[in-house]
Formats: sequence, structure tokens, C-alpha cells
Amino acid sequence: DAGVIQSPRHEVTEMGQEVTLRCKPISGHDYLFWYRQTMMRGLELLIYFNNNVPIDDSGMPEDRFSAKMPNASFSTLKIQPSEPRDSAVYFCASSLSLRETGAGTDTQYFGPGTRLTVL
Amino acid sequence: AQTVTQSQPEMSVQEAETVTLSCTYDTSESDYYLFWYKQPPSRQMILVIRQEAYKQQNATENRFSVNFQKAAKSFSLKISDSQLGDAAMYFCAYRLGNTGKLIFGQGTTLQVKP
Repeated sequence: DAGVIQSPRHEVTEMGQEVTLRCKPISGHDYLFWYRQTMMRGLELLIYFNNNVPIDDSGMPEDRFSAKMPNASFSTLKIQPSEPRDSAVYFCASSLSLRETGAGTDTQYFGPGTRLTVL
Repeated sequence: AQTVTQSQPEMSVQEAETVTLSCTYDTSESDYYLFWYKQPPSRQMILVIRQEAYKQQNATENRFSVNFQKAAKSFSLKISDSQLGDAAMYFCAYRLGNTGKLIFGQGTTLQVKP
């Protein structure tokens, strides 16, 4: 498997613009996670899905952020309008389950991340 | 609320030597998992090792092992025979058993000297 795929790898935009980050999880994984990494706040979970349904979105900063998972192989994280404080690395991760029922079934595999810069 | 603390922002080790990275966590739960992730300069997050809280035996993965002290809520990572490729930022993480949320520590940057 190619692993978790994220696009774009780098995004530079101006304040006020809409930004869409994309993620393709590992085939067969039922869970998909969006994390954000900043110097100030470290790594934090934004939202996660189980079978395309959002389970916990308590980490989504505010209404400017939205995430969707229209099918098992695709998810988007959208920021509208973007602000300079949204500059960060955004990671997508996926896992087979939340429980260890075999080798690595609950391991969250991370994508390469998208580095977002909002000017 | 659960928290994870890594008190060593930076560590260094000589190639082929052993180094231990510290991690403590705070939880009142009994069903949880602990992890160490490695983030090299490429920024890819890579799982190094994991531990179920209910298991008393410390996990090992080749040169990597943990010292899991449940009562003390301590979860340290030992890297033996350090290699140049081990240089990276290491994150300790906690996950409550029935949720997907990983809670990360602040990270420890490990330098390996040749």
C-alpha cells in the first residue's frame, strides 16, 4: 500500500482565502484523523471519523474549519477564511481500528503532512 | 484531563551508545495505550513502539524498549546501540482505550554524534 496520501505538500495563501487540504487513507482503514502541529501548541487532534462519520470534532478550532469524508477513500479539511494563525503542518492519519486485535490494528499511520503558510 | 509531559527538550548521545528519553502522563483511567513516535526532518510521523496499559511486560522492538511504570505513570524509551538514523524528534503519546484521540507530549529532539 502507498500509505496515507496528502495533498498538497505545501500551500501558501493569503489571509482571507479558502484553503482545502486533502487526504487519502490507507485502503481498508475505518478510522481517519486530522492533526495539526504548531510550535506553540504542539501536535493536537482536530477531528476523527469512523466509517466516514465524524466521531469527535472537539479539537476543531472554530467555525472557519470544516472537515468532510464523502467516502472511505477521501477526506478534506477546509479553512474559510484563512488567517495567519492557521499556519501549521496538518497531518492526516488512518487506522484499522481502535483496539489491538492483531499486529498494528490500532496503529495510526500518518501521512507526510501539508505545510500551510497563510500570509 | 489527560496530559503527557516530556521534560527533556533536547538530548544527545554518542553513536553506538544507549540513551533514555523520559515521559510522564496523567490519567485516572485504567484502559489506555502509550506510544512513542519518531519525527525525522522529513516530518513523517513514524510509530516506534507501543504499550497496552494492562500489560505488565515492557514492550521491545529491536533496539528500542520501554520502561513502563504504571503506578508512577512513567513511560520512558530506551534506544540501544544508537545510530545516526535515530536522530529525530521523539514524541510520547497517550490514547484512551475506546477513543481515537492521541495526546502528545511536547517532544524531545535527539542528536546522535558520530
